[in-house]
Amino acid sequence: GESVGLHLPTLSVQEGDNSIINCAYSNSASDYFIWYKQESGKGPQFIIDIRSNMDKRQGQRVTVLLNKTVKHLSLQIAATQPGDSAVYFCAENGAGGTSYGKLTFGQGTILTVHP
Amino acid sequence: EAGVVQSPRYKIIEKKQPVAFWCNPISGHNTLYWYLQNLGQGPELLIRYENEEAVDDSQLPKDRFSAERLKGVDSTLKIQPAELGDSAVYLCASSLAGFDTQYFGPGTRLTVL
Repeated sequence: GESVGLHLPTLSVQEGDNSIINCAYSNSASDYFIWYKQESGKGPQFIIDIRSNMDKRQGQRVTVLLNKTVKHLSLQIAATQPGDSAVYFCAENGAGGTSYGKLTFGQGTILTVHP
Repeated sequence: EAGVVQSPRYKIIEKKQPVAFWCNPISGHNTLYWYLQNLGQGPELLIRYENEEAVDDSQLPKDRFSAERLKGVDSTLKIQPAELGDSAVYLCASSLAGFDTQYFGPGTRLTVL
């Protein structure tokens, strides 16, 4: 079936390092992907998104890379800070047309940043 | 700009009791979503509204769950009767339209005893 999943459930880094969180998807028709950050006791917070007509998009300290050939996307966080510690989810927003609006989330990666 | 507001933040009830959650979306957002999040997992869509219309409720257990968005703004999600397995976080999200960014509220953590 269709799914969006993460390779690694946990990632531990030192403050100042760069972090890379990976995500695989199985639906080749997927054309819109989003990364969310979820801190304990809070709802998911939008970080960055990317559409299938792009292979890279940059935000403030974050970059998302999309490889449609192998159906893989990644979130890179530069100069990781303790405040970046959270669970990170990738999500797929439908596959176009009427299926837009249904986010399918992966299981999540726990990022821990050590001072 | 105020974000998505949900209440209550926490609710503890005994099984077989009814419970209701309330959501106020971001002003101007026509699309509203209710998600269920179990511990350690990503959210799963329960229902999506476009204005007052429920356009996707295929994942809503209709024998015990109901939802409404009468005036196309606030929404209420109800469970009656609650079961032990309903213990989870119930998240509300909103977006301008279905293909736009979804913004989440803080969620309601439900514990059924």
